[in-house]
Amino acid sequence: AQKVTQAQTEISVVEKEDVTLDCVYETRDTTYYLFWYKQPPSGELVFLIRRNSFDEQNEISGRYSWNFQKSTSSFNFTITASQVVDSAVYFCALIPTSYDKVIFGPGTSLSVIP
Amino acid sequence: GAGVSQSPSNKVTEKGKDVELRCDPISGHTALYWYRQSLGQGLEFLIYFQGNSAPDKSGLPSDRFSAERTGGSVSTLTIQRTQQEDSAVYLCASSLVRVNYGYTFGSGTRLTVV
Repeated sequence: AQKVTQAQTEISVVEKEDVTLDCVYETRDTTYYLFWYKQPPSGELVFLIRRNSFDEQNEISGRYSWNFQKSTSSFNFTITASQVVDSAVYFCALIPTSYDKVIFGPGTSLSVIP
Repeated sequence: GAGVSQSPSNKVTEKGKDVELRCDPISGHTALYWYRQSLGQGLEFLIYFQGNSAPDKSGLPSDRFSAERTGGSVSTLTIQRTQQEDSAVYLCASSLVRVNYGYTFGSGTRLTVV
């Protein structure tokens, strides 16, 4: 199966708390790409990060960090010191190289409360 | 253009009427995708174009839905005899050559069928 699971449907945190959004994927392919997208209330999907399956190095970009673990097929996303502007729906996505389209997870709705 | 442009941004139509949604991808992007996002739902793949041809139409929900792309650029998604369940945000994305480079999404067309 080729699938992305985001078990957390909705998360609420208080501003300045850290929050981790979980993503677990399934694929038969040995080469694949993983993505995170943010969809703020305005509706547009904003690209956050792209990783390929050969690069397990964790990445940090400002308050955002990503933990890619092939052993557990997970690609989790952490926001440190959350802000109200982080409130959005976050989608994890998978592209197996045998596919020509993106497999999206169902999304996690994050609300950051002031 | 600088980004993926979709028009109209909002469309309200009466049940039974036909609608056309337009997507203008980033210049030079050969791959173009249509997705649908119903209220509170994830992203549902509709159709994929590589150039002017559509190798994957598997996501079109019924024969009332069709899409074309001309000149390797602009794409039009047509919904005939609209039904209330067609109400959703229709998102277009484009990619340079292949999707594993990552998508750039447009801001979507919000379709409401009354």
